[in-house]
Amino acid sequence: AQSVTQLDSQVPVFEEAPVELRCNYSSSVSVYLFWYVQYPNQGLQLLLKYLSGSTLVKGINGFEAEFNKSQTSFHLRKPSVHISDTAEYFCAVSPSSNTGKLIFGQGTTLQVKP
Amino acid sequence: SQTIHQWPATLVQPVGSPLSLECTVEGTSNPNLYWYRQAAGRGLQLLFYSVGIGQISSEVPQNLSASRPQDRQFILSSKKLLLSDSGFYLCAWAKGRLTDTQYFGPGTRLTVL
Repeated sequence: AQSVTQLDSQVPVFEEAPVELRCNYSSSVSVYLFWYVQYPNQGLQLLLKYLSGSTLVKGINGFEAEFNKSQTSFHLRKPSVHISDTAEYFCAVSPSSNTGKLIFGQGTTLQVKP
Repeated sequence: SQTIHQWPATLVQPVGSPLSLECTVEGTSNPNLYWYRQAAGRGLQLLFYSVGIGQISSEVPQNLSASRPQDRQFILSSKKLLLSDSGFYLCAWAKGRLTDTQYFGPGTRLTVL
C-alpha cells in the first residue's frame, strides 16, 4: 500500500520569501507524483506532476518540485511567494499499476503574510 | 474544452435524510470519474471511482453509494445521512490513462445537522 506524509500542516511565510513544502511517500512499487493547490471553497488545481525523466519538475505559478527516489520525497518549492499563493497544497501519489487512483497527503496550508 | 460541474454547491441536511449529489463532465467521452470527501482538517479520501457506465468501485465501506447512469454523469447518494457524512465532496475526472491528470470540480459543501 502507498501512503503520503506532508510534514507540515501549516507554513507561515512573508511575501517575497522562499518556501518549501515537504512531502514524503511510502510505496513498494513505482509511483507517479503530483502537487495540487486548493484555494478556499474551490476544487483542486494541478500544480505539477512527475511521471519519469528529469527529477526537477516545473509547474504553474512559478512552483517547482524535485523527486528524490532515495529519500522518497517530492518537496515543492517557490523562490519568492506572493499573497495570492495563500492556499492549501496537497501532495499525491498514484501507483503506476492501477486505474490512476490518487492517494493524498493531509495537506499543508501556506499562509503568506504581507 | 472540458468542464466539470457539481451541484448543489452547498447543502444542509438533517441526520437520517437522503442525499443525492450530482457531477457531470462536458467535452470528453468515457472519462474515469471519482468521488472524494474532504473532512475538516483532513486530506482527501477517495470514496468511489468508475471506469465506465455502471462500473463502480468502492474504496471505503460506508453508508454512501455511487452510480453512473450515463457516460459523463456520476451521482453520490445516501439513504440516511450521518453526522460524520459532513464534509466537502469533490468530483474529478481523468482521461483514463494512468498518467493522466485528474481534474476536479468546484465541490459541494455538505453539513449534516
